[in-house]
Amino acid sequence: GIQVEQSPPDLILQEGANSTLRCNFSDSVNNLQWFHQNPWGQLINLFYIPSGTKQNGRLSATTVATERYSLLYISSSQTTDSGVYFCAVGYGSSNTGKLIFGQGTTLQVKP
Amino acid sequence: DAGVTQSPTHLIKTRGQQVTLRCSPKSGHDTVSWYQQALGQGPQFIFQYYEEEERQRGNFPDRFSGHQFPNYSSELNVNALLLGDSALYLCASSFRGSKGEQYFGPGTRLTVT
Repeated sequence: GIQVEQSPPDLILQEGANSTLRCNFSDSVNNLQWFHQNPWGQLINLFYIPSGTKQNGRLSATTVATERYSLLYISSSQTTDSGVYFCAVGYGSSNTGKLIFGQGTTLQVKP
Repeated sequence: DAGVTQSPTHLIKTRGQQVTLRCSPKSGHDTVSWYQQALGQGPQFIFQYYEEEERQRGNFPDRFSGHQFPNYSSELNVNALLLGDSALYLCASSFRGSKGEQYFGPGTRLTVT
């Protein structure tokens, strides 16, 4: 099956710093989503981005499907950005929506 | 616009017991997927329901079963609970079993003692 690897596993930033999170995947995908998991466990949708570039406020994401990676950029980080960031992919012609998750990047933003 | 809802929020069960978790999809969605998230891990796909049928299944034993109702809500049942079943159970909804964007509920935290 497909492998999804996220890096770095852990990241500590000072408030106001910028960061880049990476997601590598081992096969062609037809779905790619980035999520932020808050301390209570809720997965918050950040981007649905199987290809291309999107921006939403201080966050942006780019997926280069041909090279099998996606990047999540966080600019001017805030303490509320802390939490775990997951990349999840869907793949295969028979797939009806199953998502394969990476292990996540744990971000801590210090004031 | 109602998001995905799950109940209960927390649950404590004893080994060998059975448990039922519930999920209502986001308004306009008709497909429900269930995931198990162990501590420190990413969510793992259990199965997906669309048109009241199980469409895809992950690598989980038959102790894990589900159901989808005509109003698109869904239940996850786990029989003969093991300590290793302790986890956060997440429900996700999407439209027409598609490869489109999925939205997750707040989860049910199950503890097996």
